[in-house]
Amino acid sequence: RKEVEQDPGPFNVPEGATVAFNCTYSNSASQSFFWYRQDCRKEPKLLMSVYSSGNEDGRFTAQLNRASQYISLLIRDSKLSDSATYLCVPCLFSGGYQKVTFGIGTKLQVIP
Amino acid sequence: ETGVTQTPRHLVMGMTNKKSLKCEQHLGHNAMYWYKQSAKKPLELMFVYSLEERVENNSVPSRFSPECPNSSHLFLHLHTLQPEDSALYLCASSPQAAGDYEQYFGPGTRLTVT
Repeated sequence: RKEVEQDPGPFNVPEGATVAFNCTYSNSASQSFFWYRQDCRKEPKLLMSVYSSGNEDGRFTAQLNRASQYISLLIRDSKLSDSATYLCVPCLFSGGYQKVTFGIGTKLQVIP
Repeated sequence: ETGVTQTPRHLVMGMTNKKSLKCEQHLGHNAMYWYKQSAKKPLELMFVYSLEERVENNSVPSRFSPECPNSSHLFLHLHTLQPEDSALYLCASSPQAAGDYEQYFGPGTRLTVT
């Protein structure tokens, strides 16, 4: 089983739509979780952290379900600029450092 | 600008060449990382340095040799690479190696081995 499973997509959605991405992780000892965004041929950048209580940042909402080892990202009112690959990133403290595991990412294409 | 720079941005090298990738961070961070990103694969962590000491070598072949002379600079020395080593090599830094910290990535070096 892969450490992080994501549907690679692409998800093609019209502007203004709501879209949700899911991610499952295999290591139940993972302690912190993030969503990163990677634009085509660019480096990944942090989008938001994910907390058990759920958190929201503008149009973006992230949820964590530790029991099911599942993370989600909801994007409301999609913009053309949201087109990117979204990387699910669980982290585990091990061997004296925070071990970060990246998913393959889910590609989102927002169309006019 | 993320405060992490990488040079060169593109590199083409033959299998018998020796080259080095350079990473510099201007953020005052104590931890630095090398990742490899191949097409259709997730980012693979290669090395982690914390306060200039290597804390992780993720089963990387010896043809990749990292060097961290100080907390602001990180190098990846390459020699006798294989065509399958062609990929995007990303450097990242974070305030500490341990803790819930965001990693800041450089723009990457796109390496092609011929």
